[in-house]
Amino acid sequence: GDSVTQMEGPVTLSEEACLTINCTYTATGYPSLFWYVQYPGEGLQLLLKATKADDKGSNKGFEATYRKETTSFHLEKGSVQVSDSAVYFCALRESAGNKLTFGGGTRVLVKP
Amino acid sequence: SQTIHQWPATLVQPVGSPLSLECTVEGTSNPNLYWYRQAAGRGLQLLFYSVGIGQISSEVPQNLSASRPQDRQFILSSKKLLLSDSGFYLCAWGRGSGYNEQFFGPGTRLTVL
Repeated sequence: GDSVTQMEGPVTLSEEACLTINCTYTATGYPSLFWYVQYPGEGLQLLLKATKADDKGSNKGFEATYRKETTSFHLEKGSVQVSDSAVYFCALRESAGNKLTFGGGTRVLVKP
Repeated sequence: SQTIHQWPATLVQPVGSPLSLECTVEGTSNPNLYWYRQAAGRGLQLLFYSVGIGQISSEVPQNLSASRPQDRQFILSSKKLLLSDSGFYLCAWGRGSGYNEQFFGPGTRLTVL
């Protein structure tokens, strides 16, 4: 079945540091890929998405590129802020399915 | 625009008591609806999803149940809560099969004592 693997946290960074969260997936077809962010005590918010190979999703300074050859969708940000402290989830959805498959989440803590 | 509501926001219940959590969606019709649970410090576990009124798919056998009495209403219930039912419950909606994302509600924090 489908699966999503992302690096375990927590990831602790200083403000203005670069952030990379690795995400790899296994899917039978050609899924869409998503990154969600969850701030403390809140629901999940869609951060960015990509629907086909080589697509780059971007939002709020975050970027991720759909790499079919490496089945990856790594999340990157060049300069993090304290407000980026959150849990980040990578997810996929098969075209024929109704469900999202989530990774286990990566907690990021940015210190001033 | 579409919005999703969940209530209550927080709930403290004794073991063995019943549970009813409600989720409603506005601004769309015939959405797919989903219930997830997130235990403390853990990832998301899909509990139920529904593609239409009265249609419920269960992902994990447990003492919870779900119902969809109206197109944009999704209810999560239990007759007798267990300690292990504590967690953060998230409702989400999405469009039909395809490449579309899901949109999440604000969640309900349930503590079973």
